[in-house]
Amino acid sequence: ETGVTQTPRHLVMGMTNKKSLKCEQHLGHNAMYWYKQSAKKPLELMFVYSLEERVENNSVPSRFSPECPNSSHLFLHLHTLQPEDSALYLCASSQDRVSSSYNEQFFGPGTRLTVL
Amino acid sequence: GNSVTQMEGPVTLSEEAFLTINCTYTATGYPSLFWYVQYPGEGLQLLLKATKADDKGSNKGFEATYRKETTSFHLEKGSVQVSDSAVYFCAFGTSYGKLTFGQGTILTVHP
Repeated sequence: ETGVTQTPRHLVMGMTNKKSLKCEQHLGHNAMYWYKQSAKKPLELMFVYSLEERVENNSVPSRFSPECPNSSHLFLHLHTLQPEDSALYLCASSQDRVSSSYNEQFFGPGTRLTVL
Repeated sequence: GNSVTQMEGPVTLSEEAFLTINCTYTATGYPSLFWYVQYPGEGLQLLLKATKADDKGSNKGFEATYRKETTSFHLEKGSVQVSDSAVYFCAFGTSYGKLTFGQGTILTVHP
């Protein structure tokens, strides 16, 4: 595998289910991100991990719980979601250079989530 | 606050037409600027970038110039192809790797 992979690609879940999204990067990067992409809205940055520590949480509801066990893997644990949480969830990674504004992010293909 | 404003779509063109997608930003300091493209069913891919004023980013026939005086980074292509149909996102980067994206512009190119 190369680049950034995400599984599953599609997920349908009920409001009472618990599921997890998985992201893996094969690029040797030290920062990983979760984004939410909804129709007709800008990409929303949800969480940022740098060197396996969460450095940003953009007021995301607690029903979304991220986990970064190592620099190559990122999870998003989901529980008691709402129908408005249906969206494409994108994972990205970058080589984070603290003093630089040029940190190209590499994206995975996304997980299309539908909450019934 | 920091923000990116893109031309609203959708944009529909015939093959070989000239493309412009406008992008302006509001940010403190001197951010790096990016255009990302998202093809159907895929994640975002970096199309081109510019890291300082007057830099021109280019790739696959697309170009954009970092204009500090107008805080703009408009995307252009002289002759579009059907395969260019996608969603285009303008973004800027600040320290610590954070990207701020515009809302995206859908481009459809007809034969």
